[in-house]
Amino acid sequence: QSALTQPASVSGSPGQSITISCTGTSSDIGGYNYVSWYQQHPDKAPKLMIYDVSNRPSGVSNRFSGSKSGNTASLTISGLQAEDEADYYCSSYTSSSTLVFGGGTKLTVL
Amino acid sequence: QVQLVQSGAEVKKPGASVKVSCKTSGYSFIGYYMHWVRQAPGQGLEWMGRINPNSGGTDYAQTFQGRVTMTRDTSISTAYMELSRLRSDDTAVYYCARALLWEQCSGGICHPHSKNYFDPWGQGTLVTVSS
Repeated sequence: QSALTQPASVSGSPGQSITISCTGTSSDIGGYNYVSWYQQHPDKAPKLMIYDVSNRPSGVSNRFSGSKSGNTASLTISGLQAEDEADYYCSSYTSSSTLVFGGGTKLTVL
Repeated sequence: QVQLVQSGAEVKKPGASVKVSCKTSGYSFIGYYMHWVRQAPGQGLEWMGRINPNSGGTDYAQTFQGRVTMTRDTSISTAYMELSRLRSDDTAVYYCARALLWEQCSGGICHPHSKNYFDPWGQGTLVTVSS
């Protein structure tokens, strides 16, 4: 199972909005509404930010939102803040009943 | 509160095995799958597999089939991941991560499934493989 494709890096200024894409296939993202997103700060464990494409866990800011179209999922962060600077990973369920992650995207807040 | 506390860092020689523990508290251990994910230095996340703590049933990623064994001890609410025949490219931080168990029932027979998102994660265990 190949990793999902994410841009290596994205950047934005405080207050702006950014979108991180995550592209898979019809055997993973396109076939199921089981995409999740994780935020990881340096030397920390990942934190769940979005699950099942567009659902936010309790305690996660509503500045974070998720969506999906075809084989591509997206994470949008609005009103960028310095604390949002981190690595972001997408994940999807697959037709093999396994999970697959994206390669990760480094978000820089300028 | 929910906690997943992993065992400490390990240094192993190539060909050896390592067993990482993940002690849980604050929730019903058998009500959630435990997944294992690893992250090589400077690299992304890689899913290794999952265990149903209630039945002990496991599913492993193809990459690790034959080398990984996931077990649990329900009496102490702890999950384990053992990786054998270690190589230098197994050097990574290994995470345990919790996922809700749900059942799909049909005709009076129920099959367990794991939700496909992880919350929370353990703090990670660094395993270094070096001669």
